[in-house]
Amino acid sequence: SAVISQKPSRDICQRGTSLTIQCQVDSQVTMMFWYRQQPGQSLTLIATANQGSEATYESGFVIDKFPISRPNLTFSTLTVSNMSPEDSSIYLCSVTRDGYTFGSGTRLTVV
Amino acid sequence: AQKITQTQPGMFVQEKEAVTLDCTYDTSDQSYGLFWYKQPSSGEMIFLIYQGSYDEQNATEGRYSLNFQKARKSANLVISASQLGDSAMYFCATGNAGGTSYGKLTFGQGTILTVHP
Repeated sequence: SAVISQKPSRDICQRGTSLTIQCQVDSQVTMMFWYRQQPGQSLTLIATANQGSEATYESGFVIDKFPISRPNLTFSTLTVSNMSPEDSSIYLCSVTRDGYTFGSGTRLTVV
Repeated sequence: AQKITQTQPGMFVQEKEAVTLDCTYDTSDQSYGLFWYKQPSSGEMIFLIYQGSYDEQNATEGRYSLNFQKARKSANLVISASQLGDSAMYFCATGNAGGTSYGKLTFGQGTILTVHP
């Protein structure tokens, strides 16, 4: 299965600022997925990122708040913009190659 | 549309005993997969086991086995010989095995497993 390097592993940010999360995959993959896990909750899909096209967002998530970059087949970024304490969550990227693999997650706290 | 229901918010088990974590699902897909993940306090998602909807035999991976009952739409995880390191959150998930929704997973609410020495 694929190996994903996700950075940063955790961060504490001031409200109103933005944080960019990176995921690097050790092989080329067509689609990458970004999930959010709010405290004590399950995982919810934010968007699907295809190389060369705009990301497809799930209901309740918008590009202005969660812009996604997918410059090539091994890399993607998710930005959490204009953060508020409600954005405090674990953010995870995922790919499907020989199984469904997740990055190690980014634990974000907004103060 | 898919839905996963995990009715056990928390489970306790004695070390070396077996435990079953329940999962029922609902999906409109003809071909789908069922997954179990372990999430320790660090937050990472560790893949445990996979069952395809057309697989005739129940999946097994070491101490993990999946009790798949298609007619009942259940996919329970059985952990044998529990270890202290098994204490974590466990998520059941389902995803389409192909087509435009391939790769998207729908998760249940999770079950917190605590293993007592």
